[in-house]
Amino acid sequence: AQSVAQPEDQVNVAEGNPLTVKCTYSVSGNPYLFWYVQYPNRGLQFLLKYITGDNLVKGSYGFEAEFNKSQTSFHLKKPSALVSDSALYFCAVRDIGTSGSARQLTFGSGTQLTVLP
Amino acid sequence: GAVVSQHPSWVICKSGTSVKIECRSLDFQATTMFWYRQFPKQSLMLMATSNEGSKATYEQGVEKDKFLINHASLTLSTLTVTSAHPEDSSFYICSARLGDASRYEQYFGPGTRLTVT
Repeated sequence: AQSVAQPEDQVNVAEGNPLTVKCTYSVSGNPYLFWYVQYPNRGLQFLLKYITGDNLVKGSYGFEAEFNKSQTSFHLKKPSALVSDSALYFCAVRDIGTSGSARQLTFGSGTQLTVLP
Repeated sequence: GAVVSQHPSWVICKSGTSVKIECRSLDFQATTMFWYRQFPKQSLMLMATSNEGSKATYEQGVEKDKFLINHASLTLSTLTVTSAHPEDSSFYICSARLGDASRYEQYFGPGTRLTVT
């Protein structure tokens, strides 16, 4: 089975400060990892993904995430937060089984990021 | 590219009536689409996987007779909530798959807010 944990329901950070949104995962095979952002009453917008290669992945709007296999983590980061970054962030994982077929996308519970002016 | 639309964006209906939600992949063909349900401040829960030309696969606990899914073409899937009740009020999000079963991306629609009075 695959699972994703976002341990923080809420993260508050001052504008201009660095932000981190935490995510840990559990899979039986190799993970595909994703971050999505959701604004109120909107669908999910793709931020970035890790499939293979460099552990540091750069995505949209200045966000990046670091894949850490030993800690099974994929934390989302941004060097300098903006008020407009305030939104709900979801981490997601898809387990690529040994047969090569991809399983379903599993989402974390979400983290509400609030950037204070 | 890879845009997914949903219609309507919001709908209010009376208890006992049926509501149809459309999901379209605008610039790509999607053999597989996914339907999710999201309650306020909660994560996305997969309801069913819709495959073009065949029956949908429903997740455990989802009533297939209540949530009718039709994937009649490579660009259109519909979700019909039959005999809607207030507890069906939710945010419904569709997602379309681009790529084959072993390695694919999911693109999300903007969501449909259903309110049953």
